[in-house]
Amino acid sequence: DAGVIQSPRHEVTEMGQEVTLRCKPISGHNSLFWYRQTMMRGLELLIYFNNNVPIDDSGMPEDRFSAKMPNASFSTLKIQPSEPRDSAVYFCASSKGLGGRAEAFFGQGTRLTVV
Amino acid sequence: GIQVEQSPPDLILQEGANSTLRCNFSDSVNNLQWFHQNPWGQLINLFYIPSGTKQNGRLSATTVATERYSLLYISSSQTTDSGVYFCAALPQTGANNLFFGTGTRLTVIP
Repeated sequence: DAGVIQSPRHEVTEMGQEVTLRCKPISGHNSLFWYRQTMMRGLELLIYFNNNVPIDDSGMPEDRFSAKMPNASFSTLKIQPSEPRDSAVYFCASSKGLGGRAEAFFGQGTRLTVV
Repeated sequence: GIQVEQSPPDLILQEGANSTLRCNFSDSVNNLQWFHQNPWGQLINLFYIPSGTKQNGRLSATTVATERYSLLYISSSQTTDSGVYFCAALPQTGANNLFFGTGTRLTVIP
């Protein structure tokens, strides 16, 4: 299997622009997670989907952030409008079964820079 | 959520040395994973180890669930072992996601 695939790997955008990050989970995995990594806060969960349904979005910072999972093989994380404080590495992860009970695998991440 | 603490925060080793990294967690867990974040930022799975002991080459890990800690052993360290090692735990009750520790930054010098 190719693993969790994220795109783009790097994104540089200007403040106020819309940013869309994409994720393809491992085939057969029905839990998908979006995490954000910053120096100040480390790795923190943004949102968790199970069977394409958002289960826990308590980590989404504010209304500027939204996530969708239209089918089992694709998810997006959108920031609109983007701000410099959104600069971080965004990871997508997937696992089988419910939540993080099974082993989770991470994508290579998207490094977002908002200038 | 569950609290995950890792020690030491930083570690510098001479190539060939052995080391032990520790992860303490505040509640009972259904999942405990160790990851290596390499210098390119990738999170590499090392161990899925909610309990017991596993070995993979020069690395091994032990989780004592009843005492709420896990240990990662690195033997005969190599420069390619450098990076940040993260422990992540899934609590038995409540949340359905992994909670990460702050990591141990390992530098192996030749």
